[in-house]
Amino acid sequence: AQSVSQHNHHVILSEAASLELGCNYSYGGTVNLFWYVQYPGQHLQLLLKYFSGDPLVKGIKGFEAEFIKSKFSFNLRKPSVQWSDTAEYFCAVILHGSGNTGKLIFGQGTTLQVKP
Amino acid sequence: EAQVTQNPRYLITVTGKKLTVTCSQNMNHEYMSWYRQDPGLGLRQIYYSMNVEVTDKGDVPEGYKVSRKEKRNFPLILESPSPNQTSLYFCASSLYGGDSTDTQYFGPGTRLTVL
Repeated sequence: AQSVSQHNHHVILSEAASLELGCNYSYGGTVNLFWYVQYPGQHLQLLLKYFSGDPLVKGIKGFEAEFIKSKFSFNLRKPSVQWSDTAEYFCAVILHGSGNTGKLIFGQGTTLQVKP
Repeated sequence: EAQVTQNPRYLITVTGKKLTVTCSQNMNHEYMSWYRQDPGLGLRQIYYSMNVEVTDKGDVPEGYKVSRKEKRNFPLILESPSPNQTSLYFCASSLYGGDSTDTQYFGPGTRLTVL
Protein backbone atom coordinates (compact mmCIF):
# COMPACT_ATOMS: atom_id res chain seq x y z
CA ALA A 1 0.00 0.00 0.00
CA GLN A 2 1.12 3.51 -0.67
CA SER A 3 2.38 5.33 2.39
CA VAL A 4 4.15 8.40 3.66
CA SER A 5 6.78 8.17 6.38
CA GLN A 6 8.11 10.95 8.52
CA HIS A 7 11.20 9.75 10.30
CA ASN A 8 11.31 12.23 13.14
CA HIS A 9 8.36 12.10 15.49
CA HIS A 10 9.57 14.71 17.94
CA VAL A 11 12.32 17.24 17.35
CA ILE A 12 13.66 19.71 19.90
CA LEU A 13 15.86 22.57 18.72
CA SER A 14 17.20 25.80 20.09
CA GLU A 15 16.41 29.05 18.34
CA ALA A 16 18.66 29.76 15.34
CA ALA A 17 19.41 26.08 14.82
CA SER A 18 18.90 24.61 11.37
CA LEU A 19 15.99 22.26 10.71
CA GLU A 20 15.56 19.32 8.42
CA LEU A 21 12.51 17.07 8.65
CA GLY A 22 12.51 13.89 6.62
CA CYS A 23 9.65 12.65 4.47
CA ASN A 24 9.59 9.60 2.22
CA TYR A 25 6.77 8.13 0.21
CA SER A 26 6.25 4.79 -1.44
CA TYR A 27 4.71 5.10 -4.89
CA GLY A 28 6.28 4.66 -8.31
CA GLY A 29 4.09 7.07 -10.23
CA THR A 30 3.60 10.81 -10.40
CA VAL A 31 2.94 12.60 -7.14
CA ASN A 32 2.05 16.02 -5.79
CA LEU A 33 3.85 16.75 -2.53
CA PHE A 34 2.90 19.03 0.33
CA TRP A 35 4.06 20.17 3.70
CA TYR A 36 1.40 21.42 6.10
CA VAL A 37 1.94 23.03 9.50
CA GLN A 38 -0.43 22.93 12.45
CA TYR A 39 0.23 25.49 15.18
CA PRO A 40 -1.12 24.61 18.63
CA GLY A 41 -4.91 24.70 18.61
CA GLN A 42 -5.13 25.72 14.96
CA HIS A 43 -6.03 24.09 11.67
CA LEU A 44 -3.61 22.91 9.03
CA GLN A 45 -1.98 25.53 6.88
CA LEU A 46 -0.07 24.92 3.69
CA LEU A 47 3.66 25.64 3.99
CA LEU A 48 4.68 24.68 0.49
CA LYS A 49 3.90 22.31 -2.35
CA TYR A 50 5.55 20.64 -5.29
CA PHE A 51 3.67 19.77 -8.47
CA SER A 52 6.33 19.92 -11.21
CA GLY A 53 9.39 21.86 -12.37
CA ASP A 54 12.18 22.99 -10.08
CA PRO A 55 12.51 20.32 -7.38
CA LEU A 56 13.58 22.92 -4.83
CA VAL A 57 10.48 24.74 -3.67
CA LYS A 58 10.26 27.69 -1.35
CA GLY A 59 7.34 28.23 0.95
CA ILE A 60 6.16 30.68 3.53
CA LYS A 61 8.09 31.72 6.64
CA GLY A 62 11.50 30.81 5.21
CA PHE A 63 10.79 27.11 4.71
CA GLU A 64 11.92 25.19 1.68
CA ALA A 65 11.78 21.58 0.55
CA GLU A 66 13.59 19.52 -2.03
CA PHE A 67 11.98 16.76 -4.07
CA ILE A 68 14.47 14.00 -4.84
CA LYS A 69 12.63 11.61 -7.12
CA SER A 70 15.28 8.89 -7.00
CA LYS A 71 15.02 8.78 -3.22
CA PHE A 72 11.23 9.23 -3.07
CA SER A 73 11.90 12.02 -0.61
CA PHE A 74 10.60 15.52 0.08
CA ASN A 75 12.51 16.85 3.08
CA LEU A 76 11.60 20.13 4.71
CA ARG A 77 14.34 22.59 5.69
CA LYS A 78 14.76 25.92 7.39
CA PRO A 79 18.21 27.42 8.00
CA SER A 80 17.35 29.15 11.28
CA VAL A 81 14.27 28.27 13.34
CA GLN A 82 12.39 30.61 15.65
CA TRP A 83 10.38 29.94 18.77
CA SER A 84 7.23 30.69 16.72
CA ASP A 85 7.99 27.66 14.52
CA THR A 86 6.93 25.38 17.37
CA ALA A 87 4.18 23.31 15.76
CA GLU A 88 3.35 19.96 14.24
CA TYR A 89 4.47 19.40 10.67
CA PHE A 90 2.81 17.02 8.22
CA CYS A 91 4.10 15.75 4.94
CA ALA A 92 1.36 14.73 2.50
CA VAL A 93 1.13 13.25 -0.96
CA ILE A 94 -1.48 13.07 -3.71
CA LEU A 95 -0.99 10.10 -5.99
CA HIS A 96 -1.68 10.34 -9.71
CA GLY A 97 -3.08 7.44 -11.66
CA SER A 98 -6.12 5.26 -12.07
CA GLY A 99 -8.11 4.74 -8.94
CA ASN A 100 -6.53 7.65 -7.13
CA THR A 101 -9.05 10.15 -5.98
CA GLY A 102 -7.28 13.30 -4.94
CA LYS A 103 -6.90 11.96 -1.45
CA LEU A 104 -4.12 13.47 0.60
CA ILE A 105 -2.07 10.72 2.21
CA PHE A 106 -0.47 12.10 5.34
CA GLY A 107 2.59 11.13 7.26
CA GLN A 108 2.34 10.61 11.01
CA GLY A 109 3.47 14.14 11.74
CA THR A 110 6.56 15.61 13.43
CA THR A 111 6.25 17.73 16.51
CA LEU A 112 8.82 20.51 16.53
CA GLN A 113 9.63 22.23 19.79
CA VAL A 114 11.87 25.28 19.58
CA LYS A 115 13.43 26.43 22.83
CA PRO A 116 13.97 30.18 23.18
CA GLU B 1 -12.88 35.83 3.03
CA ALA B 2 -12.31 32.43 1.41
CA GLN B 3 -12.63 29.77 4.06
CA VAL B 4 -13.82 26.38 5.21
CA THR B 5 -15.97 26.47 8.32
CA GLN B 6 -16.95 23.66 10.65
CA ASN B 7 -19.47 23.46 13.46
CA PRO B 8 -19.34 22.72 16.26
CA ARG B 9 -15.68 23.21 17.14
CA TYR B 10 -15.96 21.13 20.27
CA LEU B 11 -18.47 18.42 21.13
CA ILE B 12 -18.81 15.99 23.99
CA THR B 13 -21.48 13.36 23.57
CA VAL B 14 -22.43 9.88 24.72
CA THR B 15 -22.33 6.55 22.96
CA GLY B 16 -25.20 6.04 20.55
CA LYS B 17 -26.47 9.60 20.34
CA LYS B 18 -26.60 10.64 16.69
CA LEU B 19 -24.68 13.77 15.78
CA THR B 20 -23.83 15.84 12.74
CA VAL B 21 -20.75 17.97 12.15
CA THR B 22 -21.32 20.57 9.49
CA CYS B 23 -18.79 21.76 6.94
CA SER B 24 -19.22 24.64 4.56
CA GLN B 25 -16.93 26.32 2.01
CA ASN B 26 -17.44 29.58 0.15
CA MET B 27 -14.91 29.05 -2.63
CA ASN B 28 -17.18 27.19 -5.10
CA HIS B 29 -14.96 24.13 -4.73
CA GLU B 30 -16.09 20.88 -6.26
CA TYR B 31 -14.01 18.56 -4.08
CA MET B 32 -14.64 18.17 -0.37
CA SER B 33 -13.29 15.67 2.09
CA TRP B 34 -13.36 14.65 5.75
CA TYR B 35 -10.29 13.54 7.69
CA ARG B 36 -9.76 12.42 11.24
CA GLN B 37 -6.54 13.13 13.09
CA ASP B 38 -5.26 10.77 15.76
CA PRO B 39 -1.91 10.91 17.60
CA GLY B 40 0.80 8.99 15.80
CA LEU B 41 -1.42 8.29 12.80
CA GLY B 42 -1.51 11.67 11.08
CA LEU B 43 -4.70 12.42 9.18
CA ARG B 44 -6.75 9.71 7.53
CA GLN B 45 -9.49 10.27 5.00
CA ILE B 46 -13.02 9.25 6.02
CA TYR B 47 -15.13 10.22 3.00
CA TYR B 48 -14.76 12.48 0.02
CA SER B 49 -16.99 14.05 -2.59
CA MET B 50 -15.96 14.94 -6.12
CA ASN B 51 -19.11 16.99 -6.72
CA VAL B 52 -22.75 17.39 -5.74
CA GLU B 53 -24.43 14.01 -5.14
CA VAL B 54 -21.11 12.19 -5.66
CA THR B 55 -19.57 10.75 -2.52
CA ASP B 56 -17.23 7.84 -1.85
CA LYS B 57 -15.43 6.11 0.97
CA GLY B 58 -11.95 7.00 2.07
CA ASP B 59 -9.68 4.87 4.21
CA VAL B 60 -11.70 4.80 7.44
CA PRO B 61 -15.42 5.16 6.58
CA GLU B 62 -16.88 2.72 9.12
CA GLY B 63 -19.36 4.38 11.44
CA TYR B 64 -19.70 7.54 9.35
CA LYS B 65 -22.06 8.86 6.71
CA VAL B 66 -21.91 11.95 4.53
CA SER B 67 -24.13 13.76 2.09
CA ARG B 68 -23.51 16.36 -0.60
CA LYS B 69 -26.82 17.90 -1.58
CA GLU B 70 -25.32 21.31 -2.22
CA LYS B 71 -21.90 22.27 -3.51
CA ARG B 72 -20.94 24.31 -0.48
CA ASN B 73 -21.95 21.87 2.28
CA PHE B 74 -20.59 18.46 3.23
CA PRO B 75 -21.91 17.31 6.63
CA LEU B 76 -20.41 14.36 8.49
CA ILE B 77 -22.95 12.19 10.27
CA LEU B 78 -22.30 9.75 13.08
CA GLU B 79 -25.48 7.69 13.41
CA SER B 80 -24.38 5.87 16.57
CA PRO B 81 -21.11 7.30 17.89
CA SER B 82 -18.73 5.08 19.80
CA PRO B 83 -15.72 5.96 21.97
CA ASN B 84 -13.27 4.95 19.23
CA GLN B 85 -14.61 7.85 17.19
CA THR B 86 -13.20 10.29 19.71
CA SER B 87 -10.87 12.30 17.52
CA LEU B 88 -10.11 15.62 15.87
CA TYR B 89 -12.00 15.99 12.60
CA PHE B 90 -11.05 18.21 9.68
CA CYS B 91 -13.04 19.12 6.63
CA ALA B 92 -11.13 20.15 3.51
CA SER B 93 -11.97 21.40 0.05
CA SER B 94 -10.26 22.06 -3.24
CA LEU B 95 -11.34 23.30 -6.63
CA TYR B 96 -11.14 19.86 -8.19
CA GLY B 97 -10.21 16.44 -6.92
CA GLY B 98 -8.65 13.51 -8.68
CA ASP B 99 -5.40 14.14 -10.49
CA SER B 100 -5.64 17.89 -10.18
CA THR B 101 -2.92 20.23 -9.02
CA ASP B 102 -5.14 21.96 -6.53
CA THR B 103 -4.32 22.72 -2.95
CA GLN B 104 -6.70 21.46 -0.30
CA TYR B 105 -7.83 24.04 2.24
CA PHE B 106 -8.69 22.88 5.72
CA GLY B 107 -11.32 23.93 8.20
CA PRO B 108 -10.51 24.75 11.85
CA GLY B 109 -11.26 21.26 13.12
CA THR B 110 -13.90 19.73 15.40
CA ARG B 111 -12.75 18.01 18.55
CA LEU B 112 -15.21 15.22 19.33
CA THR B 113 -15.29 13.23 22.55
CA VAL B 114 -17.61 10.23 22.80
CA LEU B 115 -18.13 8.98 26.35
